[in-house]
Formats: sequence, C-alpha cells, structure tokens
Amino acid sequence: GQQLNQSPQSMFIQEGEDVSMNCTSSSIFNTWLWYKQDPGEGPVLLIALYKAGELTSNGRLTAQFGITRKDSFLNISASIPSDVGIYFCAGQPVSYGGSQGNLIFGKGTKLSVKP
Amino acid sequence: NAGVTQTPKFQVLKTGQSMTLQCAQDMNHEYMSWYRQDPGMGLRLIHYSVGAGITDQGEVPNGYNVSRSTTEDFPLRLLSAAPSQTSVYFCASSYQLGVGSPLHFGNGTRLTVT
Repeated sequence: GQQLNQSPQSMFIQEGEDVSMNCTSSSIFNTWLWYKQDPGEGPVLLIALYKAGELTSNGRLTAQFGITRKDSFLNISASIPSDVGIYFCAGQPVSYGGSQGNLIFGKGTKLSVKP
Repeated sequence: NAGVTQTPKFQVLKTGQSMTLQCAQDMNHEYMSWYRQDPGMGLRLIHYSVGAGITDQGEVPNGYNVSRSTTEDFPLRLLSAAPSQTSVYFCASSYQLGVGSPLHFGNGTRLTVT
C-alpha cells in the first residue's frame, strides 16, 4: 500500500529550540494533516492543509503543504516542555485503491526533552 | 460534548477469547473508523464506515469484524483473539469521508492478548 515517510523518528529538544519534521511520499496527496499524541491519549489535530503551497500557523506551530503535493513540513518555534509527545503526519492520497478517501499515517516523530 | 468515547480503556484476553471494543460519537458524524497503533508502525486502518449500514475493509482487516447499525456506534469485534492483536486501538470519526473532514480520535483501548 501507499506509505508516508516521516522523519526524524525521534528527536530531543531543549526548551527554547526550534523543531522541524517532515513527511514525504511518492504519491500525490489532496490533504495533509498534522496530529499530536500525548501519552495515554488519542491523537489531536494540530493543523490541516488543503492546497499545494499552503502555509498555516497555529500558535508556535507552522505547517506547509509542499508544492509538489508529495510532502509536508511542521515547524515548532521556541519549544516548551509541553511540546513533548508523538507527532503524526497524515495524508489523503489522490488515489488509494479500495479505501479511497481514507487517511494514511506516518510512523510518527517522538519529541523528548534533552536530559 | 463528549466527542468520541471508547470503552474499555484496558483489556486483557487469553488466546481464542472473543470481545467487542465499543466506540460511540455524539457529533453526528457519518464517517467512523478503527485504527490500531503498534510501536514503530504508526496508525493502520482496520475497518471503516461511511454511514449506518455501510462498512468496508481497511489496510489490516483480518481477525476483526465491524457493524454500523446506528450513526453513533461503531463496535469492533475480535472473534478469536491472537497475540498478534495485542495493540492500542483507536476509534475515529469525521463529518464525512473526504477532503476537509479531519478525524477526531477517542482515547484508545489498550488490548493485551496472552
């Protein structure tokens, strides 16, 4: 099936640092979404992107829908301890066989605090 | 507004036992789905429904059954549990299937099969 390659798999942050992560695919997507998951909870939507080139912010978070429609980026500025968690990208591909329209998810980027 | 509610939160089963994971939403969403989350694998779609009476398979449907008799409820059934089904299960819903309808997730059911 189609896959999203999300990187990095994990990263350590120090308070105040900027953080970047991305998702890429060989397929074209209609929609890109970014979710955050805290321990013991379900993913929560952070940002939704619907148009190639779109740049959208939500507080200290900024995400972009790549021009090629095959990638998306999430940046977190001036990180704080509560940014720790797992971040997932999700995309709705243009064609996805029998499950067309369903989201597919990246494997996540785990953000931890530097010891 | 409760959103998406999943029960139970935790469950331990022996191999071969059956059980039903419950999911209910109060947002009048047409689309509902079940995902499983395994370490290093992200979220994988098990089954989904675009409305009452309509269900379809996702990426990893084997070993699971679903039904959708009402808009609000979308239970997931394990007929004969296997250790490979040890996972965290998430139910999610959205207004409809398609562009512009982000998923809303429940808080998950952590299932262990021994």
